[in-house]
Amino acid sequence: GAGVSQSPSNKVTEKGKDVELRCDPISGHTALYWYRQRLGQGLEFLIYFQGNSAPDKSGLPSDRFSAERTGESVSTLTIQRTQQEDSAVYLCASSLVPRGDEQYFGPGTRLTVT
Amino acid sequence: AQSVTQPDIHITVSEGASLELRCNYSYGATPYLFWYVQSPGQGLQLLLKYFSGDTLVQGIKGFEAEFKRSQSSFNLRKPSVHWSDAAEYFCAVANTGGFKTIFGAGTRLFVKA
Repeated sequence: GAGVSQSPSNKVTEKGKDVELRCDPISGHTALYWYRQRLGQGLEFLIYFQGNSAPDKSGLPSDRFSAERTGESVSTLTIQRTQQEDSAVYLCASSLVPRGDEQYFGPGTRLTVT
Repeated sequence: AQSVTQPDIHITVSEGASLELRCNYSYGATPYLFWYVQSPGQGLQLLLKYFSGDTLVQGIKGFEAEFKRSQSSFNLRKPSVHWSDAAEYFCAVANTGGFKTIFGAGTRLFVKA
């Protein structure tokens, strides 16, 4: 079956522009996660969705970051007024249920802010 | 708050040699523990996980990990490394709610012939 997909795979944007990153989870997966991975570093938790509700937004770095999810489907991570420090790979993952279940990761979106 | 430490940034082992990757965690209750692998050009894949029960957990690709509560450790092991095991390995801990997963910084494994 289809895995987690993300688009675009690569995005180059100018400082100050807004970007939208998209994640399509595995069908039927109720939980969806966003992470950020800076070059040479581990994964940084950003936000988690249970259905279309986000019980934990504590990882969002600033109010320039926001995310939404439509039902138990597509999620969009939006970064407004991008800064160079936003350059990273943004990974999305989904799991069948949220309680410690295996997370299936997408290939990521590599964001470069120039 | 939960945290994960992987003390080794990178490790080099010879093909056929044994491997142990270290992971220490900090969490007040019994955590959910995971090891993921990220191969070049590929996404993260779950190797194994521990929730409860037997503290020695078997995973895919011949990997195993042992949960030691007294040492707050969850080290990953493999008896004989193959060249295809060269990758980055991440240890992760989730809270008892199970949804907020914190990842370590990763250990990059190099395999030499």
